[in-house]
Amino acid sequence: DTGVSQDPRHKITKRGQNVTFRCDPISEHNRLYWYRQTLGQGPEFLTYFQNEAQLEKSRLLSDRFSAERPKGSFSTLEIQRTEQGDSAMYLCASGRRGGAETQYFGPGTRLLVL
Amino acid sequence: GNSVTQMEGPVTLSEEAFLTINCTYTATGYPSLFWYVQYPGEGLQLLLKATKADDKGSNKGFEATYRKETTSFHLEKGSVQVSDSAVYFCALSATGFQKLVFGTGTRLLVSP
Repeated sequence: DTGVSQDPRHKITKRGQNVTFRCDPISEHNRLYWYRQTLGQGPEFLTYFQNEAQLEKSRLLSDRFSAERPKGSFSTLEIQRTEQGDSAMYLCASGRRGGAETQYFGPGTRLLVL
Repeated sequence: GNSVTQMEGPVTLSEEAFLTINCTYTATGYPSLFWYVQYPGEGLQLLLKATKADDKGSNKGFEATYRKETTSFHLEKGSVQVSDSAVYFCALSATGFQKLVFGTGTRLLVSP
């Protein structure tokens, strides 16, 4: 069990640029989640996948955000035309389908938009 | 909608003091309840969970009991250590939904 990994750990970009983050879940987990955490707040749900299907998206996920999980393994989160308000920690978590599942979190990608 | 309310921090304690961090929730149905901990520079880790009323979750000396009548899931520890200094998040997963809804977190600072 190598845990959930995320890449990159830090990203600094200029407003208007596109960024893409990657998440590799724990290998036997079929569910993958994305959350966003701003300073002093708890994580907020963005979207989740079961295998390759994206089953729910938050209203926080504007049209500039897109997430994929093409083969039901790793996932990418892309933000187009970044804005300063996108600066946050982006967290990925994975879990296994079943009652009261535990979600295991990665270390996060910290995004700073200048 | 579903929500979690935690006591504001920071909570500052001396080593070996008793800890309580309050958490109350609003949810339809019968949610599962969780406490996650975030140590400095690290990711969120599950501390404990409870899936039905009157269940008690426990781990590393921490405990929390799922109280449906008061919609609460308060975190307690009898004797804190400096190494317990971290941010603690209460969260719920509502019946039939997968996402976690988090509180704003409570920072705990334990001094020697």
